[in-house]
Amino acid sequence: QVQLQESGPGLVKPSETLSLTCNVSGGSISSYYWHWVRQPAGKGLEWIGRIYATGDTNYNSSLKSRVTMSVAPSKSKVFLSLSSVTAADTAVYYCAREYYNLLTGHYIWDFWGQGALVTVSS
Amino acid sequence: QTVVTQEPSLTVSPGGTVTLTCASGTGPVTSGDYPNWFQQRPGQAPRPLIYSTNNRHSWTPARFSGSLFGGKAALTLSGAQPEDEAEYYCLLYFGPARVEFGAGTRLTVL
Repeated sequence: QVQLQESGPGLVKPSETLSLTCNVSGGSISSYYWHWVRQPAGKGLEWIGRIYATGDTNYNSSLKSRVTMSVAPSKSKVFLSLSSVTAADTAVYYCAREYYNLLTGHYIWDFWGQGALVTVSS
Repeated sequence: QTVVTQEPSLTVSPGGTVTLTCASGTGPVTSGDYPNWFQQRPGQAPRPLIYSTNNRHSWTPARFSGSLFGGKAALTLSGAQPEDEAEYYCLLYFGPARVEFGAGTRLTVL
């Protein structure tokens, strides 16, 4: 069974960089897209961006100037970096897996991590 | 940023049927927008329910079904159970490289 686990500092100071890791177990990084999604307390889901196993990325235009995603396939890890954070970046951050089925043409999100709460505060 | 619109809240009686919808600010939702639906219970991560309009995951109860109706993506719950009380989010693709979530529908089973 594939499992995703987010980890990283739970507290980040304003103007600093938020860094999270998604550890993937029970499956390979290869041939999948890896998304980061965040959710402020009591609010909805916001797509941050995605990275393919090759390192190709797509980011939400509203966050693009501050987001960097990377992968370490040999370590089964996916990374998120968000710079110049403010209190508005306080949220639970999730990683999720997506794959594209060539035969059916379907885009399929199938597994999510449990999420990591990151608070931005001095 | 395109807006994806869902009903803020809906209520269904136990055993009843309810339809949640998902509209796009760019026009009618089509199968080419690959609608996905997710269920999120309080304190839990989102759980995928439906992909590409009407395909259930292996873990998705048969009482959930997806469709297109009236220019929107739709999630229909037939025979609501107490455990179906949750927040439901749709997700649409805007081209192959951008997705957007709806604001969510809070479903009450009462």
